[in-house]
Amino acid sequence: SQTIHQWPATLVQPVGSPLSLECTVEGTSNPNLYWYRQAAGRGLQLLFYSVGIGQISSEVPQNLSASRPQDRQFILSSKKLLLSDSGFYLCAWSVGPARFNGYTFGSGTRLTVV
Amino acid sequence: AQRVTQPEKLLSVFKGAPVELKCNYSYSGSPELFWYVQYSRQRLQLLLRHISRESIKGFTADLNKGETSFHLKKPFAQEEDSAMYYCALQNSGNTPLVFGKGTRLSVIA
Repeated sequence: SQTIHQWPATLVQPVGSPLSLECTVEGTSNPNLYWYRQAAGRGLQLLFYSVGIGQISSEVPQNLSASRPQDRQFILSSKKLLLSDSGFYLCAWSVGPARFNGYTFGSGTRLTVV
Repeated sequence: AQRVTQPEKLLSVFKGAPVELKCNYSYSGSPELFWYVQYSRQRLQLLLRHISRESIKGFTADLNKGETSFHLKKPFAQEEDSAMYYCALQNSGNTPLVFGKGTRLSVIA
């Protein structure tokens, strides 16, 4: 069956420290992969998406970066975290264009930068 | 650019009352529209999609191209409907979904 794993579930990091959040999909090949940030009152903000290995599109210029080293792996990174990076990060995938089947979301990572 | 507007941050209704969660979009083409729901301590999940014209958990949504709306409706709210609801749009091609800011529905017993 198709599943998506996202870890860690919670993370507390000091300002200026690096970040690495991982998302892995099972049971499908060549998925479209997405990173969103969910904030109260601000909805779901698209950060990055990828339609294939090594292909990353950035939606919001900021302190974060993303990589897709393998077909079913999507990593969100930062070299130096800012307080404003705190939030709830969601990974999602779709098979082909989202217009047909929508997304499947991971369980999310709650990041607190202190 | 496409945009999704959910005008209500919070909507409170009594159990058994009708519910309408509003969603308006701006897009010049023919979008596909979705409603996603997040129950407490659960993952964000797809509730229904315009293309399927389905009714899920008693909820329906009709695309009104003239009013550019995709409101979510249920005739009789249940306590278990309390959740965060997001409307989303996808235009043509392989672009990501655009989400609204969400509406928190609270059904009061």
